[in-house]
Amino acid sequence: EDQVTQSPEALRLQEGESSSLNCSYTVSGLRGLFWYRQDPGKGPEFLFTLYSAGEEKEKERLKATLTKKESFLHITAPKPEDSATYLCAVQAGRGGSQGNLIFGKGTKLSVKP
Amino acid sequence: DTEVTQTPKHLVMGMTNKKSLKCEQHMGHRAMYWYKQKAKKPPELMFVYSYEKLSINESVPSRFSPECPNSSLLNLHLHALQPEDSALYLCASSQTLQGFNGYTFGSGTRLTVV
Repeated sequence: EDQVTQSPEALRLQEGESSSLNCSYTVSGLRGLFWYRQDPGKGPEFLFTLYSAGEEKEKERLKATLTKKESFLHITAPKPEDSATYLCAVQAGRGGSQGNLIFGKGTKLSVKP
Repeated sequence: DTEVTQTPKHLVMGMTNKKSLKCEQHMGHRAMYWYKQKAKKPPELMFVYSYEKLSINESVPSRFSPECPNSSLLNLHLHALQPEDSALYLCASSQTLQGFNGYTFGSGTRLTVV
């Protein structure tokens, strides 16, 4: 069964304190792994798509990496405005599952000034 | 235009009401989705449309009825809902089902069933 597990569930950081969020997955033929940011009461905001092991992508203070079993979202010198829930999702390669994003439960990040 | 627009933003309806949620995108995306998200839970897929045809229906109760009138519009018709259907309903779109350039989500409709 396709599954996505994110850890930790919640993370509290001081401003400037770098850390990483983890997303481990089991899926039949990974088509893509997606990272989203979601603010309370809002829709998920797209951050990155990763397709193959070894791939890395960066955007401002965020860097996403991918291995065959997991992905990391590294946050360098976070600011309070980075506080949000970060969602990881995978799309399986089976034809019948095309279009179905399987989401993890998310990591709620709080950055204190 | 790089947005998915959902209306209304908030909706309160009784269990005997009929209402519709609307979703619109003008990015030329040919796949559109409805997700349901309960508080502190990840989004759950409800329906997928590809080239205006229903591609996936994740065993959703018949009180939810999707409609895709054209490539830019997606509706979700609601009838005889239950209080447990209260949630954030999210619309998303992607260029195709493969989603190679990501999925764009709308801000959602906060639905409360009383």
